[in-house]
Amino acid sequence: GAGVSQSPSNKVTEKGKDVELRCDPISGHTALYWYRQSLGQGLEFLIYFQGNSAPDKSGLPSDRFSAERTGGSVSTLTIQRTQQEDSAVYLCASSLAGGAVYGYTFGSGTRLTVV
Amino acid sequence: GNSVTQMEGPVTLSEEAFLTINCTYTATGYPSLFWYVQYPGEGLQLLLKATKADDKGSNKGFEATYRKETTSFHLEKGSVQVSDSAVYFCALLISSGSARQLTFGSGTQLTVLP
Repeated sequence: GAGVSQSPSNKVTEKGKDVELRCDPISGHTALYWYRQSLGQGLEFLIYFQGNSAPDKSGLPSDRFSAERTGGSVSTLTIQRTQQEDSAVYLCASSLAGGAVYGYTFGSGTRLTVV
Repeated sequence: GNSVTQMEGPVTLSEEAFLTINCTYTATGYPSLFWYVQYPGEGLQLLLKATKADDKGSNKGFEATYRKETTSFHLEKGSVQVSDSAVYFCALLISSGSARQLTFGSGTQLTVLP
């Protein structure tokens, strides 16, 4: 597609429920990233996928968070047993390999509210 | 480790004023440097970039020069407009080994008044 597409744009969920957030990257971009933007916390790296390599999961805050990327394209970020502190905007980005020259292209994000 | 320190906001300016948002970084190796902008209700957009020392990135009247000697990448614009009101993020990227993620500063909220 023309840009990075994320869905849903907004999600309200009850504490303890599981949620799935979807990211559709730009066609041909081999790298995909998830970030979390919390109020007053800036942008926090979560996970990075590059082609068929094992993902870099070093930013995931707990084992309740997981992500997968199927067929080198669409990615799903799953949060199990959501907590109120999970409330944030979850941003997905994609890039050509590395991203050093062209930077990343970000989606508009999914605003997650845990009540 | 790698880190980015940005001038704290919020910053409020009148239209046509001069803008500087300071950004300094700490990095092992040779980072690429970026400024991203987030307009209200939208995702982050790449504003400009520089990939090596002394490079100047520019876009939409904004400029930033990669200064290795001062480890800085300050954002400047000579005459801001109301439409420039947004949050600005400085970021660096080190491509080494398996590490590829952008490291962001905390963001600076800019409001331009008519």
